[in-house]
Amino acid sequence: RKEVEQDPGPFNVPEGATVAFNCTYSNSASQSFFWYRQDCRKEPKLLMSVYSSGNEDGRFTAQLNRASQYISLLIRDSKLSDSATYLCVVSTPTYKYIFGTGTRLKVLA
Amino acid sequence: EPEVTQTPSHQVTQMGQEVILRCVPISNHLYFYWYRQILGQKVEFLVSFYNNEISEKSEIFDDQFSVERPDGSNFTLKIRSTKLEDSAMYFCASRPGQSNQPQHFGDGTRLSIL
Repeated sequence: RKEVEQDPGPFNVPEGATVAFNCTYSNSASQSFFWYRQDCRKEPKLLMSVYSSGNEDGRFTAQLNRASQYISLLIRDSKLSDSATYLCVVSTPTYKYIFGTGTRLKVLA
Repeated sequence: EPEVTQTPSHQVTQMGQEVILRCVPISNHLYFYWYRQILGQKVEFLVSFYNNEISEKSEIFDDQFSVERPDGSNFTLKIRSTKLEDSAMYFCASRPGQSNQPQHFGDGTRLSIL
C-alpha cells in the first residue's frame, strides 16, 4: 500500500460546481495532515491544515478520519483560479512530509 | 509575509559537476528541509536539519549529497558529482519550532543535468 494515496484525476468540473478529493494514508502514527496546492512547475503552497474535528476556510472544507486513515477536501462554488494540483500531505512522527501524487483539478468556464 | 527564498531559480550543469543550491529559510524557523520533485512525479523528502545537524535523511540522500548551514541565514544543498537522474525541481522548506506547524516552501530551483 502506498504511504499516501490520491486519485490523480484529472477532475474537470464547470465553474460553480462542488468537487471532493479523497486521500488515504498507511501510517497510523502520522502526526499532522495538510492539503497543499501546487500550480504547474511551482512550489507547494499551504491550503489548509486538517483536523479530526473538521475545518473550513471559506469555500474549502477539510476532514480527517483517523480511524479510517482517510482525509478529504471539499471545494464549493469552484472558480477558474482553483485549477491546480491538490496535494495530500501527511507528516510522519519525525515531522518529515510524505506527499501524495496529487489530484489535478481543472475548472472549466 | 515572510517567505523562503531559493537561488538560483534554474541551474544547468554538466554531468559529473558539483552544484550548490541555496536557500534562505524564514528567519525565526528552526527546522529546515530539502525535497525534490522529478518532472511528472510526486514531491519526495530528501533531508531534514535541526540544530546544525541532519535529523533524518531518505534513501535518495546518498554520499553525493550534503547539507550545510554555513551562517545564520543560508541553508545549502550540495550535490558532489551530478548524474542525469538528479535533474528535478529542488524545494527548500522551513517551519517554526512548534511541532504541528506547517512547512513553508521556497519557489524551488530547477536543476537540469546535461
